[in-house]
Amino acid sequence: GAVVSQHPSRVICKSGTSVKIECRSLDFQATTMFWYRQFPKQSLMLMATSNEGSKATYEQGVEKDKFLINHASLTLSTLTVTSAHPEDSSFYICSWQAGGYNEQFFGPGTRLTVL
Amino acid sequence: GENVEQHPSTLSVQEGDSAVIKCTYSDSASNYFPWYKQELGKRPQLIIDIRSNVGEKKDQRIAVTLNKTAKHFSLHITETQPEDSAVYFCAAMGGGGNKLTFGTGTQLKVEL
Repeated sequence: GAVVSQHPSRVICKSGTSVKIECRSLDFQATTMFWYRQFPKQSLMLMATSNEGSKATYEQGVEKDKFLINHASLTLSTLTVTSAHPEDSSFYICSWQAGGYNEQFFGPGTRLTVL
Repeated sequence: GENVEQHPSTLSVQEGDSAVIKCTYSDSASNYFPWYKQELGKRPQLIIDIRSNVGEKKDQRIAVTLNKTAKHFSLHITETQPEDSAVYFCAAMGGGGNKLTFGTGTQLKVEL
């Protein structure tokens, strides 16, 4: 149980283009989910917290107009990196919060490379 | 907000030895402390967690201890094996919300 998928697993794009990443919970539903990014040899940094049907709450330093989050259902959330630049190249990981103890279930991650 | 520090950043042990990774946190209201193992290019994998009402938890070769007074918690791996080699992250969930704050990670290498 508690399976999370992300698509695509890997994407390469040109600078200035937009990229959409999907995160799905496959066998459970949850209201709250999170988007993280992880630069090489660094820790996971929370980008935003999203509750279904509400606007996402972004962490300090994360531009909400650059990283668009759409969370329209209890099983699907998307992160769109708009006008991507090489410095946006990173490993993007989503997680869903579920269960009575608020455990987070992580997706497999999306490796974004911006040329 | 919560701040989590983790030490050491790298740790090399011989197969069969024990490994200990330590973390401290700043928010005394934090009440959930998970540990994750992450292999290169993969998702973080929960290996053990502890809640603030418990001082110690063990699962086979892995144990976690929590000292609420000192605001630190530790991961103990006994009888290490080469497949334990990975990056380990501690994390803390603040009492004021549901966000996880991660430590900086420890690269564990188990040598034959």
